[in-house]
Amino acid sequence: DAGVTQSPTHLIKTRGQQVTLRCSPKSGHDTVSWYQQALGQGPQFIFQYYEEEERQRGNFPDRFSGHQFPNYSSELNVNALLLGDSALYLCASSLGQSPYEQYFGPGTRLTVT
Amino acid sequence: KQEVTQIPAALSVPEGENLVLNCSFTDSAIYNLQWFRQDPGKGLTSLLLIQSSQREQTSGRLNASLDKSSGRSTLYIAASQPGDSATYLCAVRPNYGGSQGNLIFGKGTKLSVKP
Repeated sequence: DAGVTQSPTHLIKTRGQQVTLRCSPKSGHDTVSWYQQALGQGPQFIFQYYEEEERQRGNFPDRFSGHQFPNYSSELNVNALLLGDSALYLCASSLGQSPYEQYFGPGTRLTVT
Repeated sequence: KQEVTQIPAALSVPEGENLVLNCSFTDSAIYNLQWFRQDPGKGLTSLLLIQSSQREQTSGRLNASLDKSSGRSTLYIAASQPGDSATYLCAVRPNYGGSQGNLIFGKGTKLSVKP
């Protein structure tokens, strides 16, 4: 049973560039949530996708956008990168929008120089 | 606004000790509380999930308790081992009048177990 997978593992970008991160949910899950974890901090909720629509959004600017595909996989896009966007980006999957347990992927480490 | 606080921020203990990690939250309207383990630079591994109607959950050497009315949870680790060294994160899922919010995390407690 495959767990949550994310790609790439890490990447380095320059300020002003754009980046796309990818996530495949755990088998049987249909809901994907994205979190940003800065160094030494707890993860912060970015947004959640269910039925290919953004259902909830945290306090992040419009530079952060996403997409969910029919196979439930998801992408996180960040435009006009800032140094402060450097963080570990975590994807979590769950079944539906009920308050069930979320399963997290290994994360993508983004460094903006 | 829900806030989650974890104390202590870091903890170092000798192998074999029993220990308690603390988590407090400001709003008792929650669906559940979850404890996670995070190894350096890695993702989160779920340890225990406690529903709002439950008082505790146990898994092996781990026991988590929840006192929703006082906004507190503890994670008890029995007979600690060097392999338990990691950062432990507490997260609550808010209940917004029947609509669930997404997880709100504390900053974690970094545990080091010395052989």
